[in-house]
Amino acid sequence: DQQVKQNSPSLSVQEGRISILNCDYTNSMFDYFLWYKKYPAEGPTFLISISSIKDKNEDGRFTVFLNKSAKHLSLHIVPSQPGDSAVYFCAATGGGADGLTFGKGTHLIIQP
Amino acid sequence: EAGVAQSPRYKIIEKRQSVAFWCNPISGHATLYWYQQILGQGPKLLIQFQNNGVVDDSQLPKDRFSAERLKGVDSTLKIQPAKLEDSAVYLCASSLVSGVSNREDYGYTFGSGTRLTVV
Repeated sequence: DQQVKQNSPSLSVQEGRISILNCDYTNSMFDYFLWYKKYPAEGPTFLISISSIKDKNEDGRFTVFLNKSAKHLSLHIVPSQPGDSAVYFCAATGGGADGLTFGKGTHLIIQP
Repeated sequence: EAGVAQSPRYKIIEKRQSVAFWCNPISGHATLYWYQQILGQGPKLLIQFQNNGVVDDSQLPKDRFSAERLKGVDSTLKIQPAKLEDSAVYLCASSLVSGVSNREDYGYTFGSGTRLTVV
């Protein structure tokens, strides 16, 4: 029972273009969403988050959009850079819990 | 600020052996988590501590896994006996606060993990 779904295992984007990573969730109790970036042999690194009371949060090249009615969020990276190549995990929490529920990740590849 | 420290980085054991992992969270972080990440999956929460008390261990296979955080700082996760399906990366994370408030200041930080291979 996957409560957080990332349906694209991989995504290839040209350098300088926009990368859009998608995430869907099923649990209505989730009220806080996070994106993590992971390089091989390292732990996940926090990238950006959004509370369910907002529909957009921006931090430099990274923007997260939340559509609560559709239970969908997306991460936009503009412009994409070679160092952005990594696995991106969508995570969610809520209902009084602090543990994170993760999706399976999307491997983003930025091509020169 | 020092990050979350974990050791060892890698461990290979035979099935039915026991193994232990160690985690030292960021100083001042009261909440500590252990996650299991199987290849091709996202991390899955095993157990959450608030200081030295267990908050959530609903997904911990208690017949073989145990964890403790005796002084509210360092933590150890043990598997005894190990099975082939326990092969995974075990991640420790810590956060400054828990609860539904102060989410923006979570400070939720992961260590680099311990890669366990059971053969």
